[in-house]
Parts: sequence; structure tokens; C-alpha cells
Amino acid sequence: DAGVIQSPRHEVTEMGQEVTLRCKPISGHNSLFWYRQTMMRGLELLIYFNNNVPIDDSGMPEDRFSAKMPNASFSTLKIQPSEPRDSAVYFCASSLTGQETQYFGPGTRLLVL
Amino acid sequence: SQQGEEDPQALSIQEGENATMNCSYKTSINNLQWYRQNSGRGLVHLILIRSNEREKHSGRLRVTLDTSKKSSSLLITASRAADTASYFCATEGGSYIPTFGRGTSLIVHP
Repeated sequence: DAGVIQSPRHEVTEMGQEVTLRCKPISGHNSLFWYRQTMMRGLELLIYFNNNVPIDDSGMPEDRFSAKMPNASFSTLKIQPSEPRDSAVYFCASSLTGQETQYFGPGTRLLVL
Repeated sequence: SQQGEEDPQALSIQEGENATMNCSYKTSINNLQWYRQNSGRGLVHLILIRSNEREKHSGRLRVTLDTSKKSSSLLITASRAADTASYFCATEGGSYIPTFGRGTSLIVHP
């Protein structure tokens, strides 16, 4: 199994631009998580999907952030417009159920100038 | 908050020594997990311990759970330079969503 796949691995953009991060979970996993990691705030859960349905999006910082999961094998996290404070590493993780081991992707390192 | 908090924040030891990291949490849990994160990488699952378990082993790793004290410890025996990483605990309770702590940064000097 290829594990959780994220793209791009690195993204540098200018303030105000739209950023789209992509994730392919492990086949057969029905739960998907998006996290943001910074030195200041640690690892923050942004949103959690179960069977493609958003269950908990209370961690999404503001309306500039949106996430979708159109099918079991693909999810996107979009930031529009992006701001310098959005600079972080964004991780996607999947699990067989929401309660068990999570498998993390390699992350997308985002820098907003 | 359900969030686990690791202690110490940073730990520096010599190769061959044991490393102990602790995790404390505030409310009852269903299970607790430990993860490792190497620099620039995603988190990797190490061990899951359920609330009715007190100790689990995996190779050089030993995890204990004391639900009365709401704490867990991760012991790495005979540490190696390759164990250098950040270690996180994740607690899962009624929400069924694991919540991660801030992590312990471990440096093992060769």
C-alpha cells in the first residue's frame, strides 16, 4: 500500500492567492483527518470526515478555509484567500474507523509570503 | 479539554540510556496512543493502549497507563541515535476523535 498521499509537498504562494491541498487516503479507510502543525500551536485538528461526510469542522480557523471529500479516495483543503499566518505544515491522516490508529501522509509545507 | 500534555517538552540523552516520556490528560478516555514524528515527516503510530489495559510492550517500547492518575508513560529502552524524534500522545474519549498533545522532543546523542 502506498500509504496516505498528499500533494503538493511544498507550496509557496503570495498573500491573497488561493491554495488547494490534496489528499488520497489509504484504500478502505473510512475516516479522514486534516491537521495543521506549527511551532506555536502544535498539531491542530482542522476537520474530520467519516464516510465522506464532515463530522467535526470546529477546528477550521475561519471561513477562508474549506474542505471537501467528494469520494472515498480524495479530499481537498482549500484556503482562499491565503494569509501569511496560514504558513504551516498541513497533514492529512486516515484510519479504518475514526477511533483507531491514524496513518499520516508526509504533509504539505505551505509558505504564504 | 481532552488534550494530552507530554512531559518533558525536551529530553536529551546518550545512546544506550533509557528515555521516559509522560502524558497527562484531564477526562476519561477509551484509549491512548503514542506516535513518533521524525523531522520533516508525518506522524507514525507506535502503540495503542486501551483504558482497561495497564501496560503494553512493542520491541524496545513500553507503555503504561494509569487511569486513576490520568497519565501514561512511554519508555524507550537502550535508546539509539535513530530514536531522535518528537513523540506525541493522543487521547481518545467520548468524541472518538484522537486529540494530540504538544509532544516531547527527544535527542539521542551517539
